[in-house]
Amino acid sequence: QQQVKQSPQSLIVQKGGISIINCAYENTAFDYFPWYQQFPGKGPALLIAIRPDVSEKKEGRFTISFNKSAKQFSLHIMDSQPGDSATYFCAASPISSGTYKYIFGTGTRLKVLA
Amino acid sequence: DVKVTQSSRYLVKRTGEKVFLECVQDMDHENMFWYRQDPGLGLRLIYFSYDVKMKEKGDIPEGYSVSREKKERFSLILESASTNQTSMYLCASSSPGGASYEQYFGPGTRLTVT
Repeated sequence: QQQVKQSPQSLIVQKGGISIINCAYENTAFDYFPWYQQFPGKGPALLIAIRPDVSEKKEGRFTISFNKSAKQFSLHIMDSQPGDSATYFCAASPISSGTYKYIFGTGTRLKVLA
Repeated sequence: DVKVTQSSRYLVKRTGEKVFLECVQDMDHENMFWYRQDPGLGLRLIYFSYDVKMKEKGDIPEGYSVSREKKERFSLILESASTNQTSMYLCASSSPGGASYEQYFGPGTRLTVT
């Protein structure tokens, strides 16, 4: 019940295309869903996050879609660029319980071809 | 600018050695976390701390211990290093409450145990 399942493991997209990464969870206590981006040799950095009171959040070319009933959320990268090539991790946390630890997905390695 | 620093980027130790990984944050954050990152397994929580001298086990605490004597410093200890502890170790910090539950990550320490 603590798992967050992430797919696909790797993704290759042409420049200008849409990249889509999916995550699913079981624990209904999760109420904070961030996405982290990690470049080689660097630590992960927050990209965008959503709470379950909204179904979508957009920041520039990055959008999170959230489906509470299906317990799924996804990251969409519009107009993908070679600079977006990185590893992406979804995560979930039961913030309202006072627990601030994350459960991370297994990661998606994105490569955007020029 | 937010900063989490880790004492070493690369470390090579022998089996059975006692290993200390140090993490320092300059953001006055209450929460600090230690993760290990392995290909295909994502980030897995080893230990975390919500306050000085306080610690809680994460999902994979076996073979590790931690110390938090000062708010800004969180140390991960491998009492007797083993080859299966060869991994990338990431430290993170966060401050609870407010609008953001973001975890800020250090650059990581790649530990090799031979």
